[in-house]
Amino acid sequence: DTEVTQTPKHLVMGMTNKKSLKCEQHMGHRAMYWYKQKAKKPPELMFVYSYEKLSINESVPSRFSPECPNSSLLNLHLHALQPEDSALYLCASSQDSGDEQYFGPGTRLTVT
Amino acid sequence: AQSVTQPDIHITVSEGASLELRCNYSYGATPYLFWYVQSPGQGLQLLLKYFSGDTLVQGIKGFEAEFKRSQSSFNLRKPSVHWSDAAEYFCAVASPNSNDYKLSFGAGTTVTVRA
Repeated sequence: DTEVTQTPKHLVMGMTNKKSLKCEQHMGHRAMYWYKQKAKKPPELMFVYSYEKLSINESVPSRFSPECPNSSLLNLHLHALQPEDSALYLCASSQDSGDEQYFGPGTRLTVT
Repeated sequence: AQSVTQPDIHITVSEGASLELRCNYSYGATPYLFWYVQSPGQGLQLLLKYFSGDTLVQGIKGFEAEFKRSQSSFNLRKPSVHWSDAAEYFCAVASPNSNDYKLSFGAGTTVTVRA
């Protein structure tokens, strides 16, 4: 099973709302990732968790807050977002560094 | 710094015709190489990967790719395209060094399939 699941599939939120995106994998992978993807562009890395510890933060604004409760779960907490944060948010996982990454279907986020 | 170039922004191909998507990379050593496909509104699906060994790699959905060290290229091919192959294709590279988790993507190539 090479499945990464993400919920919700779609999310519309106002600029004062607080919401969370969830990601889950049961492949025993030790690395999990959050990406942001704008239309017609490649994914941009936001965060990497390795062995449940934050390994990489690509200078992401603090209105995005990642959390890794356990080795299978990854959350992205959203607060006070801007309309330009509207995008497809992708979660991925890999066995370890350099290994192929498996992507979830994404959450389509719209900030109004 | 590593970089990936996909020279073709958009390719249109007839159903049943062959397809080749180009990918060139810039890196100090041979990186790990990947091709992903993304259908509209979906996540990325791994088509194939190259780490080492045989330079002709077979993937899913009838795709193959050839690694050419001398040309720093990793081109993707399919002998006969199906309408369902219409999608966005991304070439990506990763460092073979441990503790480097970053995947560098090319800009992508949009493939349109005409009947």
